[in-house]
Formats: sequence, C-alpha cells, structure tokens
Amino acid sequence: EVQLVESGGGLVQPGRSLKLSCLASGFTFSNYGMNWIRQAPGKGLEWVASISSSSSYIYYADTVKGRFTISRDNAKNTLYLQMTSLRSEDTALYYCARRTGCFDYWGQGVMVTVSS
Amino acid sequence: DVVLTQTPPTLSATIGQSVSISCRSSQSLLHSNGNTYLHWLLQRPGQSPQLLIYSVSRLESGVPNRFSGSGSGTDFTLKISGVEAEDLGVYYCVQGTHAPYTFGAGTKLELK
Repeated sequence: EVQLVESGGGLVQPGRSLKLSCLASGFTFSNYGMNWIRQAPGKGLEWVASISSSSSYIYYADTVKGRFTISRDNAKNTLYLQMTSLRSEDTALYYCARRTGCFDYWGQGVMVTVSS
Repeated sequence: DVVLTQTPPTLSATIGQSVSISCRSSQSLLHSNGNTYLHWLLQRPGQSPQLLIYSVSRLESGVPNRFSGSGSGTDFTLKISGVEAEDLGVYYCVQGTHAPYTFGAGTKLELK
C-alpha cells in the first residue's frame, strides 16, 4: 500500500524557516517524481514544487522561488521542503504527492501556520 | 501560466442524477509528445485529494466506472453517471502539460 506521511509543520513567525519531510512507503520511491502542493485554509490547491526521481529536474512556483528548496533522499525514501523567509501567505496545509504532473497519491498533509 | 476555468463552481444533485463538470484551459494541453495531461481529482470533506481520472479519460484503479472523462485541446468534461452519496466533495481539474502545473478553482458537488 502506497503511503506518504508528512511531518515538520507547526507555528512559525514571519521571516523564519521550517523544513517539512515526507516519508514514503509501499512503492519504489527512487522511481517517481515527487511534489509539494499546498492548500490555504478554505481555499483551492496550489502546486508548490516538483523534483524528478534522480533530482535532475526541479521546478518551483513563482510564489516560492528563491525561498523554498525541494530535495529528496532516495536512500531514506524521504522528500523534503526547506522553507525560508516565511510569509503569512504561506500559511497552508502542505501535501506531498507522487508522480509529477499527475499526483496519483497524496499524503494526509501537514499544517504550516505563519504568524507572529 | 495556464489558467483552468471550471464550471459550475457549485453543483447540486440528487442521488442517482447524472452531472457534468467543465474544465477549460487558456491554452492547449496537448503535449509535444502527443499526450494530454489533464486530470481530475476529488477532495472529500476533511480528506486529501484523490486521483479519479488521468490523461483526460483514463480511470484510475479502484475508481467506479460511473466516472468518465472526455475532451481534447482546451475543453474537458468530467461526467458522473448516477451520483452517489460518497461522491460529494470538491472536484478539481489539474494540468501537467505546462509548468507551472495549475489547478482549476474547484467545483463543489452537494446534495440537493
């Protein structure tokens, strides 16, 4: 069974940093592109970043480019999102999702709240 | 960026009724490799989104065949042939042809 479990969220002050993790199981992690997608409270879905299976290709939404860094450790079956210079508009539920551009499996999400 | 416009924003249906949701793209979603990466997701209340239909019309494994997708180029449709209670939630179209990947604003399906 495919499972994606996010962690690392919480309450953080504006301008500070936070690192999210997504532990994958039930499939060969190193064979799949992975993504971070977020959903602000009561709002729709926004793609944040994608990384190819070998980390050769990385893409970001303009809203996070230069502040967020997506990475992965295939030996640990883990996807990461390093978030810096956080803003109130980054407050959202952050999901990791498998398969770039298709998003066939999603985690349960982890909440990030940016507030003073 | 590609803009996906979903209509209607809200859909009221009775159990057993057939309904359709439209997703129109601001540019063609036909990839240079010949594939069209337009997919449909359902987010039930309090749950993570789940993939229903991928590449316009391909039913994801485990998804009931009352769901179907059609379309090409810039116009796409999701049809539910006989709504069931478990189908309630917000439906999103998403395109994976052009980076950045973008989602429609969603269509909320509720019981009439």
